[in-house]
Amino acid sequence: KAGVTQTPRYLIKTRGQQVTLSCSPISGHRSVSWYQQTPGQGLQFLFEYFSETQRNKGNFPGRFSGRQFSNSRSEMNVSTLELGDSALYLCASSSGPQPEQYFGPGTRLTVT
Amino acid sequence: AQTVTQSQPEMSVQEAETVTLSCTYDTSENNYYLFWYKQPPSRQMILVIRQEAYKQQNATENRFSVNFQKAAKSFSLKISDSQLGDTAMYFCAFIDTGANSKLTFGKGITLSVRP
Repeated sequence: KAGVTQTPRYLIKTRGQQVTLSCSPISGHRSVSWYQQTPGQGLQFLFEYFSETQRNKGNFPGRFSGRQFSNSRSEMNVSTLELGDSALYLCASSSGPQPEQYFGPGTRLTVT
Repeated sequence: AQTVTQSQPEMSVQEAETVTLSCTYDTSENNYYLFWYKQPPSRQMILVIRQEAYKQQNATENRFSVNFQKAAKSFSLKISDSQLGDTAMYFCAFIDTGANSKLTFGKGITLSVRP
C-alpha cells in the first residue's frame, strides 16, 4: 500500500496570506489527523477528521481549519498567516479500529 | 489531561551497543496505548513499536523492545545492536482508547549512534 502523502512538501508564504495543505491517507484509512511541529512547542495536535466530520480539535486559533472529502483526503487551511505559524505540518492516518497513526513526510511552511 | 515526559534531551551510543531511552506519562485512563516513533533527519515520522496498556507482556520488534511499567507509568525503549541508521529523534506518545484519536507526544530525545 502507498503511504500517506502530503503536498506541497515546502512552502514559503508572506505574513497575512493564507495557505492550504493537502493530505492523502493510506488507502482504506478513514481517520486523518494533523499536527504542528516546532522546535519550541514540539508536536501539537491540530484536529482530526473521520468520515468527513471533525471529531476532535486541539487548542489552536480559528485561523486553523480543515476539512475531509468523501475519499478521505484532507486539507488544512491557515488564514492570515503569522510568523509563528512557520512549522512542519504533519498529517497522519489511521484505520479507526487500530490506534496506530501513520505519518506523511510533512509540509515545511515558512512564513516571512 | 495526559502528559508525556522525556527528560533526556540527547543521548549517544556506540554502534553495536545497547541504549535505553526513558519515558514517563501521566493519565487517569486505564485503557490506552503507548508508542515510540522515530524521526530521522528526513523528518518522516516512523512508528517503531506499540504497547497496549492491558497487556503485561512487553512488546518487541526485532532489535527494539520496551519496558512497560504500568503502575510506575513508565515506558522505556531499548535498542539493541545499535546501527548508524538508528540516529534520529525518538518520541514517546500516548493515546487513549476512546474515540479521541489525539496522540500526545513527549518532547523527544535526540539519539546519535557513533561509528
